[in-house]
This record gives sequence, C-alpha cells and structure tokens, in this order.
Amino acid sequence: TQLLEQSPQFLSIQEGENLTVYCNSSSVFSSLQWYRQEPGEGPVLLVTVVTGGEVKKLKRLTFQFGDARKDSSLHITAAQPGDTGLYLCAGALRSAGGTSYGKLTFGQGTILTVHP
Amino acid sequence: KAGVTQTPRYLIKTRGQQVTLSCSPISGHRSVSWYQQTPGQGLQFLFEYFSETQRNKGNFPGRFSGRQFSNSRSEMNVSTLELGDSALYLCASSLAPSNEQFFGPGTRLTVL
Repeated sequence: TQLLEQSPQFLSIQEGENLTVYCNSSSVFSSLQWYRQEPGEGPVLLVTVVTGGEVKKLKRLTFQFGDARKDSSLHITAAQPGDTGLYLCAGALRSAGGTSYGKLTFGQGTILTVHP
Repeated sequence: KAGVTQTPRYLIKTRGQQVTLSCSPISGHRSVSWYQQTPGQGLQFLFEYFSETQRNKGNFPGRFSGRQFSNSRSEMNVSTLELGDSALYLCASSLAPSNEQFFGPGTRLTVL
C-alpha cells in the first residue's frame, strides 16, 4: 500500500493550459516537499510546506498543504514546455517522539508533458 | 556552494558482484540519506546517516549497507548483486533533521 497517493500519474497538455497534481495520504506529515526531476538527473527541490493550510507560490506554481497536513496539491498556471518533467511529492512522517528523521516517503510521481 | 556529488555516475556489474557508491554532501550538511529509484517502485528510502550513525533504515535486505565518515561523506554498498538491484541510486543531504533534502544526480547501476 502506497503511503502517499499521487495523481494523476500521467498528464499531457498543451502550452498555456492549467493543471493540478494531487498528493494524498491517511497519515499526518510534519512537512511535505515537492520535487521536479528530469531524465538522468536527481530530483530538484521546488518547495517545502510545513504548516497546515499553508500556500506557497513560486512564479506560476502554487503549492498548498492541507489543513490536517495529510494532503497537498501543486497547481501550475499557463504551463510551458519547460515545465515538462516528473513531479514528486515527498512527506516526512512525524515519529512517535515528535521529531522527524531524514526519511522521506515519496508518491509515485506525475509525468507531465507540455506540448508547444 | 557546490551541490551533492555522487560517484560514479554510471556502473555496470554482473550478478553476484558487489558495488560501492559514494556521496559527498553539500558543505556543512551532516545528514545523508540514500534512495533507490526504479520505474516500478518509484523512490524508496534505503537509510539515513547523521554524525556517522545510521538513524533510520528502510525495508531492504541486509545486502544493502552504508556508512558515513567524519567529514559527512557517505558510501553505500550492495553485495551479491541481483538483477533487480538495477536502479538509479540517489543520495540526498540536509543540514540536520530539517528534512529539506537536496539530491545528487544519482548513480545509474545496471546489473547484468
């Protein structure tokens, strides 16, 4: 059973369209990170959200952390071909002791293709 | 500031052999985590080291091991390689338990 369910798995859209990627779990995360990965490279950190209800914007990208810290979304406005890549959400679970260690649980990823 | 570096970038081995992968974290980062990425399973956590101590371990067999040195550089070792070990092995570093991890480019391991 996947701890972090990410959807959709594949997204193929035209330049200029908007899109949203979802990341859902039944577990509470102390923080959640979004990464973008290109073929043959490691994931590049886009944003970290830590507070329930938090919204962060990075140019055309908007990230939201659910109030209960169990879900998150990534919204891209007016997608461009340069946005093409694998988008990954990753959460850090809060341990019983209340601290978080360096173990990230990843969603399956969303492969986004933006056509010119 | 230089990013996370991993060596080698590509490796081809045969079944039964062993392999050692190396990771140099961002300067000042003391925590290093390792992940395995495959098309079928995605990114899966292997282990995490902080101040030369393994603090967390994923669900991988004992053939997978690692260590961290006093300069925070880390190595992971896979013994008795199996075909299913073919994957992209990623190393990530962070300052400490902040969980904001920065990834290296990975080592692509192919087992024949």
